[in-house]
Amino acid sequence: DQQVKQNSPSLSVQEGRISILNCDYTNSMFDYFLWYKKYPAEGPTFLISISSIKDKNEDGRFTVFLNKSAKHLSLHIVPSQPGDSAVYFCAATAGTYKYIFGTGTRLKVLA
Amino acid sequence: DAGVIQSPRHEVTEMGQEVTLRCKPISGHNSLFWYRQTMMRGLELLIYFNNNVPIDDSGMPEDRFSAKMPNASFSTLKIQPSEPRDSAVYFCASSLGPNEKLFFGSGTQLSVL
Repeated sequence: DQQVKQNSPSLSVQEGRISILNCDYTNSMFDYFLWYKKYPAEGPTFLISISSIKDKNEDGRFTVFLNKSAKHLSLHIVPSQPGDSAVYFCAATAGTYKYIFGTGTRLKVLA
Repeated sequence: DAGVIQSPRHEVTEMGQEVTLRCKPISGHNSLFWYRQTMMRGLELLIYFNNNVPIDDSGMPEDRFSAKMPNASFSTLKIQPSEPRDSAVYFCASSLGPNEKLFFGSGTQLSVL
């Protein structure tokens, strides 16, 4: 039973446009959410996070939105660049060491 | 800052053989995690160590899997005997503490034929 779901395995976006990656969760106890980015043959690297007390967190071109009532979070990348092409994982935790990861979304930014 | 170091990067072995994956966490990090990445399940937590002590091994799929952390700078994940369904990418990650963000190694691509 996947507690964190990324229903879109892949996404293609034109360079300069907005990329929106989505993530749904089922456990209402989750209170901290993260996005990781993974390039081929490398490990995932931390991108951005959000606490459940907020509904938005911004870092440069990356913004994460949290909708607690819908149990949904999204990552917006504006503007998208070819170097953003990677697999993006969302993860959630209920205040413990146990991060539950989604299956990932492969983003391709077309030049 | 060397990051989390894993070896080997690639491992190809035959069914029934023993496989040992190695990890050196970031110096000063007290928490160490082993994850497995598959297409169907994404990143699954196998085992978590805090201060070299295994805290949660509920994600270890079977008794064929075992993990050790003899000191703060080294951990191993062993599969004995290996099976084709164990083929996956295995990641080691470390963090400053249990609720801190994870730093991942580059992973070991394991193929069991």
